[in-house]
Amino acid sequence: AQSVTQLDSQVPVFEEAPVELRCNYSSSVSVYLFWYVQYPNQGLQLLLKYLSGSTLVKGINGFEAEFNKSQTSFHLRKPSVHISDTAEYFCAVTLYSSASKIIFGSGTRLSIRP
Amino acid sequence: GAVVSQHPSRVICKSGTSVKIECRSLDFQATTMFWYRQFPKKSLMLMATSNEGSKATYEQGVEKDKFLINHASLTLSTLTVTSAHPEDSSFYICSARGAGGVKYEQFFGPGTRLTVL
Repeated sequence: AQSVTQLDSQVPVFEEAPVELRCNYSSSVSVYLFWYVQYPNQGLQLLLKYLSGSTLVKGINGFEAEFNKSQTSFHLRKPSVHISDTAEYFCAVTLYSSASKIIFGSGTRLSIRP
Repeated sequence: GAVVSQHPSRVICKSGTSVKIECRSLDFQATTMFWYRQFPKKSLMLMATSNEGSKATYEQGVEKDKFLINHASLTLSTLTVTSAHPEDSSFYICSARGAGGVKYEQFFGPGTRLTVL
């Protein structure tokens, strides 16, 4: 079975500081990896995804993530955050199978301080 | 492209009534739709998976008679919360996946906030 662990439930950072949101996954087979962002009272928006190829993936809003197979990690980073980045961030995995479900992590609340 | 809408965005109802939530894929055909429930400050919990024209597959612990799911067309799925009670109050999110090349990717609706008094 697959699982996703987001170690940090909350990450407070100052505006314009860098941030890293951690994600580790567990799976015996190959998976696709995603990061989603959820603003208050809204649905999920895809930030970026890793399917194959280059392990450094760039997404929207200046975010990027790096797939590390040996450490089974897919950490999300941004070099300089803005107040507007305040949101809940979810890491997720799904199997290559077309019928597969998405497994979500527990989420990390990113709060930006001015 | 790949827009999913939900209606209503917010609903308040009395205990014992039934509530229907619609999920529509606006610009693609969704062969599979998913229904999630999200409690405050929690992650998304998959409730059920529905394929167009067939019965939904419910996750363990989800009452199929309580949460009726219908996926009658390639652009519409509905979730009906029957005889709603205050404990059913939650944020319900649907997602849709198309039949085309990006089979792994789901597109999420904006969610429906259900409050049962």
